[in-house]
Amino acid sequence: ILNVEQSPQSLHVQEGDSTNFTCSFPSSNFYALHWYRWETAKSPEALFVMTLNGDEKKKGRISATLNTKEGYSYLYIKGSQPEDSATYLCASPRGGGNKLTFGTGTQLKVEL
Amino acid sequence: KAGVTQTPRYLIKTRGQQVTLSCSPISGHRSVSWYQQTPGQGLQFLFEYFSETQRNKGNFPGRFSGRQFSNSRSEMNVSTLELGDSALYLCASSAQDAGADTQYFGPGTRLTVL
Repeated sequence: ILNVEQSPQSLHVQEGDSTNFTCSFPSSNFYALHWYRWETAKSPEALFVMTLNGDEKKKGRISATLNTKEGYSYLYIKGSQPEDSATYLCASPRGGGNKLTFGTGTQLKVEL
Repeated sequence: KAGVTQTPRYLIKTRGQQVTLSCSPISGHRSVSWYQQTPGQGLQFLFEYFSETQRNKGNFPGRFSGRQFSNSRSEMNVSTLELGDSALYLCASSAQDAGADTQYFGPGTRLTVL
């Protein structure tokens, strides 16, 4: 894989459902993987920065795992709530420094 | 601690004009990165400044330029505006220029080119 890719593009779930989505990235020269949540009319909010293969991070009902050897990360949301509705972006620094290459995001809508 | 601020929040310009956007990073942060967000292209990296030096540049024409001041505030300039420059411009700050450092985003400047 040459770029950062995310799937699915969009997701509709019911309140209380658990859900997950995928970020795929180039496994060569891996340095870090960032997850952001971007709600409409707000700034992207940093969720996690992951660097180690096998890393697992958690923030409330949201968790993420990382597999650097095969080049993917999963983001899980347990018991989705309407306030979880947002676009979830992953990004990888490519080219040095803070130059992040973003995926196109997964748009999550949680319905009552 | 105050977050990243960007001014102005909204801007309307006409083709051929130039525009300057401003970004004030979180206090103590020395890295400022700029991104362009359009519906078709998603978030695209423009450039990064660290301690007043441009460290990285994305694939944008030379009409897009930037600079960083000694207080880490950054400005981005777009000359000879084109319709396709209409976008949300976000800046992000971080303490270091290592790719594993969290980047904190501002609210963005929405630029409309008529």
